[in-house]
Amino acid sequence: AQSVAQPEDQVNVAEGNPLTVKCTYSVSGNPYLFWYVQYPNRGLQFLLKYITGDNLVKGSYGFEAEFNKSQTSFHLKKPSALVSDSALYFCAVRDLYSSASKIIFGSGTRLSIRP
Amino acid sequence: ETGVTQTPRHLVMGMTNKKSLKCEQHLGHNAMYWYKQSAKKPLELMFVYSLEERVENNSVPSRFSPECPNSSHLFLHLHTLQPEDSALYLCASSQTPTGGVATNEKLFFGSGTQLSVL
Repeated sequence: AQSVAQPEDQVNVAEGNPLTVKCTYSVSGNPYLFWYVQYPNRGLQFLLKYITGDNLVKGSYGFEAEFNKSQTSFHLKKPSALVSDSALYFCAVRDLYSSASKIIFGSGTRLSIRP
Repeated sequence: ETGVTQTPRHLVMGMTNKKSLKCEQHLGHNAMYWYKQSAKKPLELMFVYSLEERVENNSVPSRFSPECPNSSHLFLHLHTLQPEDSALYLCASSQTPTGGVATNEKLFFGSGTQLSVL
């Protein structure tokens, strides 16, 4: 079965510094990977996706993610963090072994940006 | 505003009550989902309705019962819940291509219903 793991419950970064939120995946076949963000009292919002092609994927709000096949990782990155980036971030993978749409999420990483 | 509306936003219920959560999407999508969000746990996919096919997570207890009368509306009927069912219940929708397995569709989420079972 497809799965993703987010090894960090919380990541703390100072404003202006680069940030990385880690994700590793386990899939059979080609991976279809996603990042979503959840702001307080809101549902999840799509940030970016990797299907095929360039290993560096650019998304919303200046975020990007690097796909690394040898390390089975899909880390989320941003060169310069903003306080407004503070939120809960979820990595996700598409389950291909289903005729219906199934997106499997990780447990989430809380990102806290201090001024 | 994501185009997916959930009601109520908050719900407190006793273990013997029966209640329903409602979700409506205004995006013209053909797939709808229920997810359960508990602290520090992966989002749990409970049910999917896609192209009129219902897919269930076999670990979801029978005290949760979904209903999808049409492609725009989704309900989650609750009865005799347990305190461990307290969580944020999220509805989502997407557009699934017909005639094959979709690989890159985006999910649009509602803001959720925060459920507390006493």
